Amino acid sequence: GAVVSQHPSWVICKSGTSVKIECRSLDFQATTMFWYRQFPKQSLMLMATSNEGSKATYEQGVEKDKFLINHASLTLSTLTVTSAHPEDSSFYICSARDHHRGTDTQYFGPGTRLTVL
Amino acid sequence: GENVEQHPSTLSVQEGDSAVIKCTYSDSASNYFPWYKQELGKRPQLIIDIRSNVGEKKDQRIAVTLNKTAKHFSLHITETQPEDSAVYFCAATGTSYGKLTFGQGTILTVHP
Repeated sequence: GAVVSQHPSWVICKSGTSVKIECRSLDFQATTMFWYRQFPKQSLMLMATSNEGSKATYEQGVEKDKFLINHASLTLSTLTVTSAHPEDSSFYICSARDHHRGTDTQYFGPGTRLTVL
Repeated sequence: GENVEQHPSTLSVQEGDSAVIKCTYSDSASNYFPWYKQELGKRPQLIIDIRSNVGEKKDQRIAVTLNKTAKHFSLHITETQPEDSAVYFCAATGTSYGKLTFGQGTILTVHP
């Protein structure tokens, strides 16, 4: 149990285009999902906390108009990178908490590697 | 906010030796401390976690210790194997919605 999927696993796009990444909890309901960004050889940096049915909470320094987050259901959160630029190239990973287990354990998706040309 | 420091950044051991990774945290309200293993290009995998009401937890070759007074916790891997080679991250959280703050990571290399 506690499986989180992400789609796509990798994407290459041209500068100026928008890219949508999906994060799904497959076998549990997740009222809270988290979006992280990880640059090569670096740690995971939290971008935002996504709460089902409400606006996301962004970390300091993360542009909410550039990284649009939608958490429309208990099993799906999406991250849209708008007007992507080469500096947005990174590994984006989501995680989800199992609401019914009532624990702090976060289960991570497999990540999406974004390359902006 | 929470700040987590992790040491060492790299650790090289011989197969069969023990490995210890240490983390300190700043927020005394933090109450949950997971450890993740991440292989290159893969997702972080939870390997063990500990809560603030426990001082030590063990799972086969892996153990975690927590010193709340000193605000530090450590990962211990015994009888290391080459497949233990990966990047290990500690993390801490104290808020009700589980926001994690990660350490910088430790690259563990186990030589056969």
